[in-house]
Amino acid sequence: EPEVTQTPSHQVTQMGQEVILRCVPISNHLYFYWYRQILGQKVEFLVSFYNNEISEKSEIFDDQFSVERPDGSNFTLKIRSTKLEDSAMYFCASSGYLNEQFFGPGTRLTVL
Amino acid sequence: AQTVTQSQPEMSVQEAETVTLSCTYDTSESDYYLFWYKQPPSRQMILVIRQEAYKQQNATENRFSVNFQKAAKSFSLKISDSQLGDAAMYFCAYTRYNFNKFYFGSGTKLNVKP
Repeated sequence: EPEVTQTPSHQVTQMGQEVILRCVPISNHLYFYWYRQILGQKVEFLVSFYNNEISEKSEIFDDQFSVERPDGSNFTLKIRSTKLEDSAMYFCASSGYLNEQFFGPGTRLTVL
Repeated sequence: AQTVTQSQPEMSVQEAETVTLSCTYDTSESDYYLFWYKQPPSRQMILVIRQEAYKQQNATENRFSVNFQKAAKSFSLKISDSQLGDAAMYFCAYTRYNFNKFYFGSGTKLNVKP
C-alpha cells in the first residue's frame, strides 16, 4: 500500500541553524501539506501546496519557513533560523482528493 | 471560523468493552468531511474512519463506528470490543468540502485496561 515517508525521523539542531525536513508524498497525489504538533498539543496546519505553489498558509508559517518541491517526488519544509519554540513533531501529508489526507510518520525536531 | 472540540482529555475502557469518544465542531458549511485519526505512542497519524457530511448513514469500519449528528454538529467515535492495541490518542478532524486544510481537535487519550 502506498504511503507517505519522511526523513529524518528525528532531527536535533542548535538554535539559529537551518533545517530541512523531507517528505516523499504518495506518487499520484497532487496536494501536499505540512502540519506541526508541539508536544501535548493539537496538530496545527502550517501550509498547503498545489501546482508548485503555496495554496494556503497559516499565521505560524512566517518568513522563516519555506516549502519546495525540488523534483517530482520530494516535498521539503525549510526553517531558516530555528528557534526553541520550533521544537515539535512535523507531519507531511498528501492528498489525491481535497477531502482525505494521508500522513507520514513525522519528523521530531528538537531545537537546543 | 471552523473549530473542533474534544471535551474528553482522557478516557479509560476495559478490554472487550465499548467506549465512545466525543467530538463537536462548528461550521457554517453544508458540505464537509469529518475524520477520526489515531495517534499511538509512535506519534504517527493513522486514519481510523471518515464521514461525508452529505451522507446520512453513519460510517463503519470493523469495530469502529461513528454517530454523526449533522444538526447538532456532533461526530462521536464508538469503539466496540476494545483491544489493548486501541490505546492511543484519538483526534477528530474537519475539512471543508473543496477546501484542503484540516482542523484538528485537541485529542482524547484512550487507555485500555486488561
